[in-house]
Amino acid sequence: KAGVTQTPRYLIKTRGQQVTLSCSPISGHRSVSWYQQTPGQGLQFLFEYFSETQRNKGNFPGRFSGRQFSNSRSEMNVSTLELGDSALYLCASSPELGRGNYGYTFGSGTRLTVV
Amino acid sequence: AQSVSQHNHHVILSEAASLELGCNYSYGGTVNLFWYVQYPGQHLQLLLKYFSGDPLVKGIKGFEAEFIKSKFSFNLRKPSVQWSDTAEYFCAVNNNAGNMLTFGGGTRLMVKP
Repeated sequence: KAGVTQTPRYLIKTRGQQVTLSCSPISGHRSVSWYQQTPGQGLQFLFEYFSETQRNKGNFPGRFSGRQFSNSRSEMNVSTLELGDSALYLCASSPELGRGNYGYTFGSGTRLTVV
Repeated sequence: AQSVSQHNHHVILSEAASLELGCNYSYGGTVNLFWYVQYPGQHLQLLLKYFSGDPLVKGIKGFEAEFIKSKFSFNLRKPSVQWSDTAEYFCAVNNNAGNMLTFGGGTRLMVKP
């Protein structure tokens, strides 16, 4: 069973640009969550999607957005990049929503560097 | 808002020493609790999880954790660590209202051979 796949693995962008990251969940999983990991702030929740709808959103500015497609694949977009957006962006998938006992499987992440 | 505290930021142990990493959370309702491990250069992996029932949970690689509701704690233990346990360990909480995980700040464990 393939795991959670995130592409690309590495990205270097310039301040002011925008970026799109992709996440393919485990086959059959319908929930996708996104997290930002930085040395200073640790792991912070960005948002989660289920059935193509955003169900929860963390405390991030509107420059951070996402969407989920009918096949459960998800993308997140960051517009007008800032140096502080440099981070490892992690995606986690789960079979269902609201029942944490299913557990969450994480991908390897996309490391974004903003220069 | 719920929060998770891991009081030990860095821990250095010799092989065969016993390990206990502290985790406390602030949410007062029903919670699901997790410990994840991140080996150098690798992705987050689930060590163990607690949802209900026996408060002593056993996970992979000889790890276990005990949920003490009265103390809002979920400490991770291992009787004898190995060099290969060198990694960063994260405690996380989910309040069962969605799939959002709140993570602690992490504990970096270094095991000296």
